[in-house]
Amino acid sequence: QSVLTQPPSVSAAPGQKVTISCSGSSSNIANNYVSWYQQLPGTAPKVVIYENNKRPSGIPDRFSGSKSGPGLTSATLGITGVQTGDEADYYCGTWDTSLSAVVFGGGTQLTVL
Amino acid sequence: QLQLQESGPGLVKPSETLSLTCSVSGGSISSSTYYWAWIRQPPGKGLEWIGSIYYSGSADYNPSLRSRVTTFVDTSKNQFSLKVSSVTAADTAVYYCARLLWTRLQVRFDIWGQGTMVTVSS
Repeated sequence: QSVLTQPPSVSAAPGQKVTISCSGSSSNIANNYVSWYQQLPGTAPKVVIYENNKRPSGIPDRFSGSKSGPGLTSATLGITGVQTGDEADYYCGTWDTSLSAVVFGGGTQLTVL
Repeated sequence: QLQLQESGPGLVKPSETLSLTCSVSGGSISSSTYYWAWIRQPPGKGLEWIGSIYYSGSADYNPSLRSRVTTFVDTSKNQFSLKVSSVTAADTAVYYCARLLWTRLQVRFDIWGQGTMVTVSS
């Protein structure tokens, strides 16, 4: 059972927009920055969003991040103009102050139909 | 371009100690900005942070694994290492090493190794 809750899967047609949610609490998302990682099949994860909404160099602006919800305890990864190359598992991650540990969501598999 | 490469046995017997090393190239492990981390991923499952270490040797571990995990840093070899004792089948996973940017409000694994599969089996 992951500390951060993500939907197991999402899907979208090519060119559409998709969002992936990450639900946490006051001990993690609400008071710390969230990062998002993309894991293409058979490869190591790669950061696509950091500090809630910043993109590393080389990550297209189709990828965006935000926080939302009461007390800002949720985070969302958005991908516009979805492409087949975006098919991957996506993980949110942050620090949990109560656990004194790095925590990840369980991961969301993106399927491009 | 900084690169990380994991190495170590791919098969470990139950109750024994798993040992892995991560070699850092293209940059110094003695950077004051970054920590160095281990993350694992059981087959078909999600990511789990194991622990992180600073070049000075100061380390933090996942509370769920703390009793069995130790990390080391060897600045002369630009490497850091992981030991997990008393392994069981539940420790079977792909083990990744990564560079970690850790500030008061942020943890970000910005560079990852390719990962190495470790199977616990007799």
